[in-house]
Amino acid sequence: QLLESGGGLVQPGGSLRLSCAASGFTFPSYAMSWVRQAPGRGLEWVSTFNPMNQSPHYADFVKGRFTISRDTSKSTLFLHMKNLRADDTATYYCAKGTPGDPDYFDFWGQGTLVAVSS
Amino acid sequence: SFVLTQPPSVSVAPGETARITCEGNNIGSKSVHWYQQKPGQAPVVVIYYDTDRPSEIPDRYSGSNSGNTATLTINRAAAGDEADYYCQVWDNSRGVGVFGGGTKLTVL
Repeated sequence: QLLESGGGLVQPGGSLRLSCAASGFTFPSYAMSWVRQAPGRGLEWVSTFNPMNQSPHYADFVKGRFTISRDTSKSTLFLHMKNLRADDTATYYCAKGTPGDPDYFDFWGQGTLVAVSS
Repeated sequence: SFVLTQPPSVSVAPGETARITCEGNNIGSKSVHWYQQKPGQAPVVVIYYDTDRPSEIPDRYSGSNSGNTATLTINRAAAGDEADYYCQVWDNSRGVGVFGGGTKLTVL
């Protein structure tokens, strides 16, 4: 199970932290990702944490603004977002990947909505 | 960056075969994954590693990948198959995930 939280309305330039509480699998061993979907638009990959080398991966449009992290003791994935823009408005999904290196997303949470507006 | 191109929409009559394509430069050298998303729901993987199918997905769903085109095939299409479908790869050369633009499947 993946349960996202932390979404909401934020002003342009503001910050937000999304959380994804995971259960039912060995969290530290799996690549975990954030994927977003703007209203009426397609899926857009945002970021992945690779457990093999403990390294984060980011889409170009969020580099320097978003930070992915995890707390393995709490089986929780985070996405720290700053300098938010109107075009960051979207539903943000937490997605469980494959054990080890990133590849595909075999289970998704229900998403949390982030709205950036003044 | 690696780009995946899908047709915006595909229509098929009930009982017929729907084919949704995903084009990318030498995509046959990568593993392609497919997701189904129904309105108001989270995506669900229907095909992974080009041809593998989760146990809960009907065997009417299949995938192929060669050259510059990957294809999701849905046999005996039914109203319950109506959804948006997305292809996806992991671009190892850049360490990024890539989705196609999505295809809306209509069964009418």
